[in-house]
Amino acid sequence: SQQGEEDPQALSIQEGENATMNCSYKTSINNLQWYRQNSGRGLVHLILIRSNEREKHSGRLRVTLDTSKKSSSLLITASRAADTASYFCATDRMGGTSYGKLTFGQGTILTVHP
Amino acid sequence: GAVVSQHPSWVICKSGTSVKIECRSLDFQATTMFWYRQFPKQSLMLMATSNEGSKATYEQGVEKDKFLINHASLTLSTLTVTSAHPEDSSFYICSARGIGQVFANEKLFFGSGTQLSVL
Repeated sequence: SQQGEEDPQALSIQEGENATMNCSYKTSINNLQWYRQNSGRGLVHLILIRSNEREKHSGRLRVTLDTSKKSSSLLITASRAADTASYFCATDRMGGTSYGKLTFGQGTILTVHP
Repeated sequence: GAVVSQHPSWVICKSGTSVKIECRSLDFQATTMFWYRQFPKQSLMLMATSNEGSKATYEQGVEKDKFLINHASLTLSTLTVTSAHPEDSSFYICSARGIGQVFANEKLFFGSGTQLSVL
């Protein structure tokens, strides 16, 4: 079963606004990753945050991780129409026998209106 | 960056036929490949983990005789959907984990996916 829960399920904003997506998980993790998927396409890796990290930045992306609450957030600043896509969090469980065996959240569909 | 090529990108087949999907790592050796399935507007569900030279490990509820996985080389894994039925229609995506410095950050590389439609 999927352990990741994401909210909101859908987010609609105007270009230039910030978009925040949240992800919760249930088990202890090695790392948490965020991916982007354009409609009907493969996944593109955005950012990885390890369990001993609390915040990470990459360009217009900011990810936070709160292991005590088992939650993470992805912030996209100054959004663009090209950011329109589905965003998934994925956790790499601690103690797993196969690292890289990711469990994906349900995803957030982001629509950025020009 | 590392490239994973998945082929075909879409396939339509008749019920009862078998379909093979290929996942190739183009510029690295993939010690492990993962196969996922995704229904429309839903998340990715891990089907199986494929290690080169050994039998695939299937997730609970995934029929190994239905979804045959072969990882015969360090650059190729195949998923064969046998005796496909309409309920097997889905988006199938592979991902690969390799060896070397580029993988030190634990990032996976995904194929572009295969949309299977069974009539």
